[in-house]
Amino acid sequence: GAVVSQHPSWVICKSGTSVKIECRSLDFQATTMFWYRQFPKQSLMLMATSNEGSKATYEQGVEKDKFLINHASLTLSTLTVTSAHPEDSSFYICSVHVTDTQYFGPGTRLTVL
Amino acid sequence: GNSVTQMEGPVTLSEEAFLTINCTYTATGYPSLFWYVQYPGEGLQLLLKATKADDKGSNKGFEATYRKETTSFHLEKGSVQVSDSAVYFCALKNRDDKIIFGKGTRLHILP
Repeated sequence: GAVVSQHPSWVICKSGTSVKIECRSLDFQATTMFWYRQFPKQSLMLMATSNEGSKATYEQGVEKDKFLINHASLTLSTLTVTSAHPEDSSFYICSVHVTDTQYFGPGTRLTVL
Repeated sequence: GNSVTQMEGPVTLSEEAFLTINCTYTATGYPSLFWYVQYPGEGLQLLLKATKADDKGSNKGFEATYRKETTSFHLEKGSVQVSDSAVYFCALKNRDDKIIFGKGTRLHILP
């Protein structure tokens, strides 16, 4: 199956700073990638759909100005959490859709102090 | 709207016990159904899937059958192992390729 990587795997930052998370599809060109958020012991919640060459599509309730998504190429999507606050602390996961199956990255744990 | 409901955990079983994790769904149209597994410290992995009614997905001794009449996709395994300890997520996907997850069921297998 498709291999998806994320970088960094974990990050700690101060409140008010911005953090960029990268998602790479290592062996498949992806016009679409998905970004999820997972709170401790809870399910994954879809945040947005990242579209190569066009604007991301955000789910209801997700602030597009706070969670900036850039799908720069067919193998790279980035999520930037701007002006992070402690409530943004979470596990962020990206996925790539390949032939009716989604392959997930290992996730990035963000802790905002 | 689309939704997935799965049994609350945690579920604790002894090794070699029979496992069932219930999952029901609500969806428009004919979704594809999935079970994903998340081992401690790792990312989500696809365990099995079924794309149409009466399909049976299977992998690593786990099985689930797509039951349209009961809108269910229960996960079963005849004899669990300690290494099966993980969190299991039932999920569906409709034509828009968005995955809707259940809340997850944490499984503990005791030796």
